[in-house]
Amino acid sequence: DSGVTQTPKHLITATGQRVTLRCSPRSGDLSVYWYQQSLDQGLQFLIQYYNGEERAKGNILERFSAQQFPDLHSELNLSSLELGDSALYFCASSDPGGGGYTDTQYFGPGTRLTVL
Amino acid sequence: DAKTTQPPSMDCAEGRAANLPCNHSTISGNEYVYWYRQIHSQGPQYIIHGLKNNETNEMASLIITEDRKSSTLILPHATLRDTAVYYCIVRVNDYKLSFGAGTTVTVRA
Repeated sequence: DSGVTQTPKHLITATGQRVTLRCSPRSGDLSVYWYQQSLDQGLQFLIQYYNGEERAKGNILERFSAQQFPDLHSELNLSSLELGDSALYFCASSDPGGGGYTDTQYFGPGTRLTVL
Repeated sequence: DAKTTQPPSMDCAEGRAANLPCNHSTISGNEYVYWYRQIHSQGPQYIIHGLKNNETNEMASLIITEDRKSSTLILPHATLRDTAVYYCIVRVNDYKLSFGAGTTVTVRA
């Protein structure tokens, strides 16, 4: 158990809908990262938040957005869903105690999204 | 980030050591080598990381060559639960982890 929690575990929805995925980081971790894993793309970095502020963006679609709240949990919002958005979505957290950018990331169990 | 090359798959006998190679010939002096594994659609699990020196923890050992162009992850006594995809990642001053295809390790009884 990494200490990172994600809800829900599974989500089934229809095209065009909007969903919200939730992530609670490990106690004390300030950074939250979101990754997408689809069959044909592998694990892809989407976005990072640090202490409530967006820090880095990866291959995140404009239909997707995220935020990190004062209690440090994060939500990933996916809208206008398409079949191709079906994937595993992972959240990771890290503690920048070392002050550098190579802080170890610990991953949650993921949310499996199925768009029908 | 420097690119890494890993064999696509390998088998290992239960109870034996598993040696997983990774080539990173373009690695720079300040880039770390990280290893993660993913067991059947679970979240990636951190194993170990290093910069220059060999590292050991309760899960594995990481051997980095002197020129740092390659490394080997050693699982000392593989069990069936070690069957997973193992990712070697080279990382420097970057927020994201760049996962490649990894090595699918199958531990056989």
